[in-house]
Amino acid sequence: DQQVKQNSPSLSVQEGRISILNCDYTNSMFDYFLWYKKYPAEGPTFLISISSIKDKNEDGRFTVFLNKSAKHLSLHIVPSQPGDSAVYFCAAAGDFGNEKLTFGTGTRLTIIP
Amino acid sequence: DTAVSQTPKYLVTQMGNDKSIKCEQNLGHDTMYWYKQDSKKFLKIMFSYNNKELIINETVPNRFSPKSPDKAHLNLHINSLELGDSAVYFCASSQDLGTGYGYTFGSGTRLTVV
Repeated sequence: DQQVKQNSPSLSVQEGRISILNCDYTNSMFDYFLWYKKYPAEGPTFLISISSIKDKNEDGRFTVFLNKSAKHLSLHIVPSQPGDSAVYFCAAAGDFGNEKLTFGTGTRLTIIP
Repeated sequence: DTAVSQTPKYLVTQMGNDKSIKCEQNLGHDTMYWYKQDSKKFLKIMFSYNNKELIINETVPNRFSPKSPDKAHLNLHINSLELGDSAVYFCASSQDLGTGYGYTFGSGTRLTVV
């Protein structure tokens, strides 16, 4: 039972354009969402997060949008750069007494120079 | 100076063997985790420890046993290894998800059982 889903296994975007990665979740108890970036042979690294009391959080070129009614979040990267090529994982947590993160299966983003 | 380090990075072993993976964090975090990334690239939690106390134990076979000698270390022992245990195992630590920084992951241990 996959509670966090990333339905696009891969995405290719031209350098300089916007990359939009999508994530859907089914558990309404989730109230905190994160995006991680992973390069080959490395562990995932934290990118940006958003709590359920917000609908947008921005950090430099990265913006995460949360639509709670649709149980959907997205990560926007503008402008996309070659170094952004990686696998992006969406993750969710609920109930702050339990720090468990539930991850999606990832989207491989390729930035085309 | 690696924040979360795990050893070994690669581990190839035969079925039936017992092996351990070590993890250490120097971030002063209270909580540590083991995650497994299977062949479908699905990252799934196995265990979490908070200040040496087991907090989360997902549906993991008894052959897997975490050991936390102190809050900076969380080792994973696997007995009687099976082919299906082949995966990448990630250690992670966190202080408080409410700080907005999530987990810090190690670089992973690729376990191959032959």
